[in-house]
Amino acid sequence: RKEVEQDPGPFNVPEGATVAFNCTYSNSASQSFFWYRQDCRKEPKLLMSVYSSGNEDGRFTAQLNRASQYISLLIRDSKLSDSATYLCVVNSGSSGSARQLTFGSGTQLTVLP
Amino acid sequence: GAVVSQHPSWVICKSGTSVKIECRSLDFQATTMFWYRQFPKQSLMLMATSNEGSKATYEQGVEKDKFLINHASLTLSTLTVTSAHPEDSSFYICSAGGKDNQPQHFGDGTRLSIL
Repeated sequence: RKEVEQDPGPFNVPEGATVAFNCTYSNSASQSFFWYRQDCRKEPKLLMSVYSSGNEDGRFTAQLNRASQYISLLIRDSKLSDSATYLCVVNSGSSGSARQLTFGSGTQLTVLP
Repeated sequence: GAVVSQHPSWVICKSGTSVKIECRSLDFQATTMFWYRQFPKQSLMLMATSNEGSKATYEQGVEKDKFLINHASLTLSTLTVTSAHPEDSSFYICSAGGKDNQPQHFGDGTRLSIL
């Protein structure tokens, strides 16, 4: 079983649609969680951190369920510029030290005009 | 603006050439940097952890003599792909940061193509 699993997609949605991505992780000791987006042939860029209480940044909402070891990302009112691969990223490093990240394989999103 | 700079962004060279990739933290000191590799349509895979002033820690299956890492200062880590072959062609990305549950920041990546 992969440490971080995502539905690879692709998700093809019309502009304005709401789309949700799911992610599960296997290491129950994981400490921190992130969503990154990666455009084609570019480096990953941080989209948002994910907190147990859930957090929102504009059109993006992230949720974490530690009991189920499940992370989600919701994109509302999707834009053409949201087209990218979304990476679920989990950090299982020990407290107080620089971290190592485990990446999901990514979920590809294409927003259609 | 970018907090981690990676250079070069694209390299095309002949088989057998050694290629050096630089990763710099721009406005912070990084005692630890990470080197990843990503093949097409696959996730990033950690290759090694670069430690300032000491030896790098390599992930299982990554040859330390093939991928030489030097972290001589708090703002610079280099990855040298020695005697590169076509199967080494990939997207190499460095990152830094990530202390205390903070996210890491990535360099722009280096696309390496070995002919």
